[in-house]
Amino acid sequence: AQTVTQSQPEMSVQEAETVTLSCTYDTSENNYYLFWYKQPPSRQMILVIRQEAYKQQNATENRFSVNFQKAAKSFSLKISDSQLGDTAMYFCAFMSQAGKSTFGDGTTLTVKP
Amino acid sequence: NAGVTQTPKFQVLKTGQSMTLQCAQDMNHEYMSWYRQDPGMGLRLIHYSVGAGITDQGEVPNGYNVSRSTTEDFPLRLLSAAPSQTSVYFCASSSVRSGANVLTFGAGSRLTVL
Repeated sequence: AQTVTQSQPEMSVQEAETVTLSCTYDTSENNYYLFWYKQPPSRQMILVIRQEAYKQQNATENRFSVNFQKAAKSFSLKISDSQLGDTAMYFCAFMSQAGKSTFGDGTTLTVKP
Repeated sequence: NAGVTQTPKFQVLKTGQSMTLQCAQDMNHEYMSWYRQDPGMGLRLIHYSVGAGITDQGEVPNGYNVSRSTTEDFPLRLLSAAPSQTSVYFCASSSVRSGANVLTFGAGSRLTVL
């Protein structure tokens, strides 16, 4: 069974600064997918970024980028130029080739003005 | 609009009552799943389906039943509600075939069992 660990229950960052959220996972599979989802107070789950395990290049989406270390089973999210609208809970998720997902317990991020 | 539709958004039950949470998607996704989210925690997989007629248990299946008679619908049934089932429930779908493998979530259903 896969496990996903987010070791930072809460984090805060000043507006316009950079913050990194940590995620580690455990799996015996070689091909899989990793995701970061954002959950604002509206509780809607929103995809932030996606990484395929077979790709060595780290995914980027505008101000969001990941540091994917497959051997270390690490998948951190970097948010640059933080904005007030980034305040939310962030979940790291693992998806197997068959489509089954496992989520971490989340990191609550607060962006301060 | 294409997406995942969950109903109801809110529900209050008494212990022992039964109910069904409905989930429908119009994206022809083969994979559908149900999660529960308890306060301060991540999503835990209850049941999932990789196609019509095929279902399997996730991490926390006890007290819940599912069926998948069509590609579009994946209802979650609580047979005899218990206070421990008070939670927010999310339905999600994805397409492994397309290679995108991104979960599309419904808006969530908040269930309170008294």
